[in-house]
Amino acid sequence: GQQVMQIPQYQHVQEGEDFTTYCNSSTTLSNIQWYKQRPGGHPVFLIQLVKSGEVKKQKRLTFQFGEAKKNSSLHITATQTTDVGTYFCAAQTGANNLFFGTGTRLTVIP
Amino acid sequence: GAGVSQSPRYKVAKRGQDVALRCDPISGHVSLFWYQQALGQGPEFLTYFQNEAQLDKSGLPSDRFFAERPEGSVSTLKIQRTQKEDSAVYLCASSSRPGGMDAGYTFGSGTRLTVV
Repeated sequence: GQQVMQIPQYQHVQEGEDFTTYCNSSTTLSNIQWYKQRPGGHPVFLIQLVKSGEVKKQKRLTFQFGEAKKNSSLHITATQTTDVGTYFCAAQTGANNLFFGTGTRLTVIP
Repeated sequence: GAGVSQSPRYKVAKRGQDVALRCDPISGHVSLFWYQQALGQGPEFLTYFQNEAQLDKSGLPSDRFFAERPEGSVSTLKIQRTQKEDSAVYLCASSSRPGGMDAGYTFGSGTRLTVV
C-alpha cells in the first residue's frame, strides 16, 4: 500500500529557531496535504499542494511540493511556542482517501 | 453544525463488549471518512462513504468492525467483541468533495476508546 515517510520523527528547537520537516513517497502523488495536530487534539488542515514545484506560504510557514511530485517539505521560520504539535503530510494518489505520513513531533523550548 | 461532531468523547469498554461510535459531519459534506489513530502514530484509514454508499472499506482491520451511514449524513462505527488492540482514537472526517479529492478534510475531535 501507499507509504509516506516523514523525517525527522521528533524535533526539539529553541524558540526563534527554524524548523523543517520532510515528506517522501515512493510513488507519484496527485496532491499532498499538510495537517497540524496539537497535543490531545485532532488533525487540522493547513494546506494542499497540487502542482509540481509548487511553493505556498502562510505567514511563517512555507510549503513546497517537489518537481517529481514525490516529496514535500514544511518549513517554519522563527518558531513560537504556539507551533508545538505534530505535523503530518498526507498524500492522495487518486484513490478515495488520504494516506497520512508518520508525522514529525515538534517541541519548542521557550 | 459548524464542525464535525463525534460522540462519545471517551469510551471505556470491557473486552468482548460491543461499542458504537457516532459521527455527525458538516452539513452537506458528501464524503465521510473514519480513521484510527494509535498513540504516537498517524491516522490510519478505515473506511469511506460517499453520501450513503460505502465505497471503500479496505482499511477495516477485521469483520468485527462495521460502519454505516444510512441517510448520507450521520455515521456510526461499530466494533463488536472489542479487543485490547482496538484501543485507539477513532477520528471521523468529512469533505465537501467526492472522495475528498483536492480538498482538505475537516476532522472531528475523535473518540478515545480504551478496552480493558
